[in-house]
Amino acid sequence: GNSVTQMEGPVTLSEEAFLTINCTYTATGYPSLFWYVQYPGEGLQLLLKATKADDKGSNKGFEATYRKETTSFHLEKGSVQVSDSAVYFCALSLSNQAGTALIFGKGTTLSVSS
Amino acid sequence: DAGVIQSPRHEVTEMGQEVTLRCKPISGHNSLFWYRQTMMRGLELLIYFNNNVPIDDSGMPEDRFSAKMPNASFSTLKIQPSEPRDSAVYFCASSSGLAGLAQETQYFGPGTRLLVL
Repeated sequence: GNSVTQMEGPVTLSEEAFLTINCTYTATGYPSLFWYVQYPGEGLQLLLKATKADDKGSNKGFEATYRKETTSFHLEKGSVQVSDSAVYFCALSLSNQAGTALIFGKGTTLSVSS
Repeated sequence: DAGVIQSPRHEVTEMGQEVTLRCKPISGHNSLFWYRQTMMRGLELLIYFNNNVPIDDSGMPEDRFSAKMPNASFSTLKIQPSEPRDSAVYFCASSSGLAGLAQETQYFGPGTRLLVL
């Protein structure tokens, strides 16, 4: 079946540290890949996405590259800030005849201290 | 632009009571999704609609759960009767819903935090 596996958290970092959150996927088709972020008390919002192999999604200093050969979409940021503290979800989407649905990983909590 | 609107934001009810959660998707979006989030199970897709028609309800946990979308601007998720294990945050999301476009972004509402005592 289709699934997403993320590294378990929490991830605790100091401000300006380098961040990597690992994400791998299993898919029967050729998915699009997403990272969503959830700030405390809020709904999820799209952080970045990539729709084909070797695409790099980027936003707010975060990056992730769609690696088909390793079925991975790892999230990275060179220098985290306290405001990046949130839960990060990796997700994939496969289209079908009538629409699309997201399959999420379990989420990784990031806590950044000053 | 108003985003996805959900109501109520918080609901506390007693076991056995009926609970109705409401969602207004972004205007012009054709796909609507209901998710449930718990610590134990993470984010689970319950059901999704395309052009007001339910496409996949395989995630609906049991017959106590039902969802409707009577028109393009409104959807409900009903739990009857409610049980303590239904306590969770329920999210509604919408997307433009063009068939075959797996790269669409879903836009989430703020969620309804449900507590069943």
